[in-house]
This record gives sequence, C-alpha cells and structure tokens, in this order.
Amino acid sequence: EPEVTQTPSHQVTQMGQEVILRCVPISNHLYFYWYRQILGQKVEFLVSFYNNEISEKSEIFDDQFSVERPDGSNFTLKIRSTKLEDSAMYFCASARDSANTGELFFGEGSRLTVL
Amino acid sequence: DQQVKQNSPSLSVQEGRISILNCDYTNSMFDYFLWYKKYPAEGPTFLISISSIKDKNEDGRFTVFLNKSAKHLSLHIVPSQPGDSAVYFCAASERYSGTYKYIFGTGTRLKVLA
Repeated sequence: EPEVTQTPSHQVTQMGQEVILRCVPISNHLYFYWYRQILGQKVEFLVSFYNNEISEKSEIFDDQFSVERPDGSNFTLKIRSTKLEDSAMYFCASARDSANTGELFFGEGSRLTVL
Repeated sequence: DQQVKQNSPSLSVQEGRISILNCDYTNSMFDYFLWYKKYPAEGPTFLISISSIKDKNEDGRFTVFLNKSAKHLSLHIVPSQPGDSAVYFCAASERYSGTYKYIFGTGTRLKVLA
C-alpha cells in the first residue's frame, strides 16, 4: 500500500541551527501539506502546496519556514534558524484530487527537538 | 476562531460497549468530514470520512453520522476494543483557492477498559 514517508524520524539540534525535514508523498498525489503537533496539543496546520507553489500558510509559518519540492518527488520543510518553541512532531501529508473521500494521508512524523 | 471543535478531551468506555466521539463545526462550506486515529509518536491514521451530502457512512465497527442542521458529527465505534484506545481527531475539508484546506479539532483521548 502506498504511503507517505518522512525522514529523519528524530532530529536534535541546537537553537539557531537550520533544519530540513524531508517527505516523500504518495506518487500520484497533487496536494501536499505540513502540520505540526507540539507535545500534548492539537495538530496544527502549517502550509499547503499545490502546483509547485504555496497555496496557503498559517500564522505559524513565518519567514523562518520554507517549503520546496525540488525534484518532483521530495517535499521538504526548512526551518532557517530554529527556536526552542519549534520543538514538535512535524507531519507531512498528501492528498489526491479526489471527489470520493477528500482523504489526507499522513506520514509517521519527524520529531524535532531544539536545545 | 476554532472552526472544528471536540469538546470532550477524554472518554473512557468498557470493552464491548459503544464509544461515541463528538465533533462540532461552524463553517457550512466544509465538503468532507474525516476521523483520524492517532497513537503517541505516530502520524494520524485515516479511519472514515463522510461527504457533506450524506448523513451516515459505515465501515465495519465504525459509523460516522452527520447532522448538517446542527453542524455536528459523531463517530460510533461498536463494539469497542482495547486496541481502539488512542486520540481521535475530527477534521473537515473545504475546497479553497484551488486546493483543499483541512482543519483539525483538538482531539479526544479514548480509553477502552478491558
């Protein structure tokens, strides 16, 4: 069964360092998303991406964040200068343009710990 | 402004009984509603969805009911099993600027007691 894969599963970094989280969405999907979940809190929307550009971003997704789909398969989230409050599970998700279920498929997540 | 709300942070149910998880929403433009199950340190897993033009969808032990006039949906799990213990997120999707926008509730932690 096709799945969304994310790497790394866990990254520990020092405050102020750059981090890149990688995702390989399901191959025939067209819509891509990043969400995050701070420990014990809700799943928060960060950004959506379609047709090689950002469709929408939340207020969390400030100038320190960027996304890229460099080669048609990977979808990356970059945090330029990490802060302590960026520590969270980051989930990549993808969806196809479906009239059936509107289902969003999630990866297993990348845990980011900023020290 | 929280467009998707799960007002019960937790729920405990005896094994074999029915679990009912509730969700309210405010945006009448949502076109799909979805339920996800999440274990700690894992990604949310899709369970079941319902189109806004329907009022019920059933898949095995899981049934989702949609009451559009009340802007309310619920997930019924029957019979509940200990393996169902997880956090359940309600989500709603809307077609927006050429893409789909998905909004999640805050989750309900279900504990099924053996």
